[in-house]
Amino acid sequence: NAGVTQTPKFRVLKTGQSMTLLCAQDMNHEYMYWYRQDPGMGLRLIHYSVGEGTTAKGEVPDGYNVSRLKKQNFLLGLESAAPSQTSVYFCASSTGTSWNEQFFGPGTRLTVL
Amino acid sequence: SQQGEEDPQALSIQEGENATMNCSYKTSINNLQWYRQNSGRGLVHLILIRSNEREKHSGRLRVTLDTSKKSSSLLITASRAADTASYFCATEDSTLTFGKGTMLLVSP
Repeated sequence: NAGVTQTPKFRVLKTGQSMTLLCAQDMNHEYMYWYRQDPGMGLRLIHYSVGEGTTAKGEVPDGYNVSRLKKQNFLLGLESAAPSQTSVYFCASSTGTSWNEQFFGPGTRLTVL
Repeated sequence: SQQGEEDPQALSIQEGENATMNCSYKTSINNLQWYRQNSGRGLVHLILIRSNEREKHSGRLRVTLDTSKKSSSLLITASRAADTASYFCATEDSTLTFGKGTMLLVSP
């Protein structure tokens, strides 16, 4: 099992450009999450999904959109990137509610110039 | 949602010593989890302790939970250089909320 994978690993964008981060999991997990991690800030939840076709906002959703068209994939989109979105993005999945163990991907390091 | 707060922010010890990290939170929780993050990697789940549990062990890890003080501690016994990482507590209400972490450095 590959677990949770993220594509791409690194990306540099210019302000105003758009991009999509892809998260895939092969553990048949119902729940999936997107976090961002900034220095000294810990992880903050952007959006999450409790099942195929569902999404919900987390703590810091502004400037991001998500889609969960297939159970195994969770996409995070930036429509118009801003320097404040420079961060490391982590995807995670779990079998049930957030009170189950979450499995994390390796992260995507995004820089917005 | 609430955020756990780890203490200390950084900890430096020698191999073989024990490392203790603390986490405090503000409101009632259903469970508390501890995660480890090696530099440049994703987080790895270490242990989950439920609100009705007081202590839990996993290998060299010992976690305690005191709901009356709204605090938890993670003890790593006989530390190794490979334990060098950041450690995060995460509290559960409607979602999982992570603290800012403790950076642990274990020197050979």
